[in-house]
Amino acid sequence: NAGVMQNPRHLVRRRGQEARLRCSPMKGHSHVYWYRQLPEEGLKFMVYLQKENIIDESGMPKERFSAEFPKEGPSILRIQQVVRGDSAAYFCASRGSVRGNTIYFGEGSWLTVV
Amino acid sequence: DAKTTQPNSMESNEEEPVHLPCNHSTISGTDYIHWYRQLPSQGPEYVIHGLTSNVNNRMASLAIAEDRKSSTLILHRATLRDAAVYYCILPPLNYGGSQGNLIFGKGTKLSVKP
Repeated sequence: NAGVMQNPRHLVRRRGQEARLRCSPMKGHSHVYWYRQLPEEGLKFMVYLQKENIIDESGMPKERFSAEFPKEGPSILRIQQVVRGDSAAYFCASRGSVRGNTIYFGEGSWLTVV
Repeated sequence: DAKTTQPNSMESNEEEPVHLPCNHSTISGTDYIHWYRQLPSQGPEYVIHGLTSNVNNRMASLAIAEDRKSSTLILHRATLRDAAVYYCILPPLNYGGSQGNLIFGKGTKLSVKP
């Protein structure tokens, strides 16, 4: 997990609140991916972003979820009006610009909705 | 995308070698074989990848069958820290392109006994 920084590591939100998860990719990486892992389940792709662009959001739920990767600053995964089913581990990954570069993951952000 | 098949679980004794198999009979000529592992409560960790030739790095070795329809991840001396879920992944043909995400299956859960 070399260098992909995620925060917060743990987040507790009440139903209806908003959750913001941040991801700083490895230095020099301009491609970011978000994955979700529900309890006792596998990793599921959510969204793939490059700086200022969403490239593939085919794994994102249609409502309440959004992601951005601005020109400056970290990538943000935003979950509005959280529900208990959003409780999961959210992993960010990044890679460099050369096609086929290895993808490296962060340690994850664990969201608990109470 | 080419499909991979791995055993659900394997056991090993500490300090013994471990051979984790992966079948990918529908692999195409340009598919790389990637291995990641996920320790409990952590993000996926890149282990190794290869195309045709066997590969070695500080973590493991990857042995690829001559017909490329299967491969084996080799941990030369298992430690307790190697207990994890190991994923064999064949990134999509446009890996690194517009849909450059990794697709995780169920993987092999490796238990290491002291």
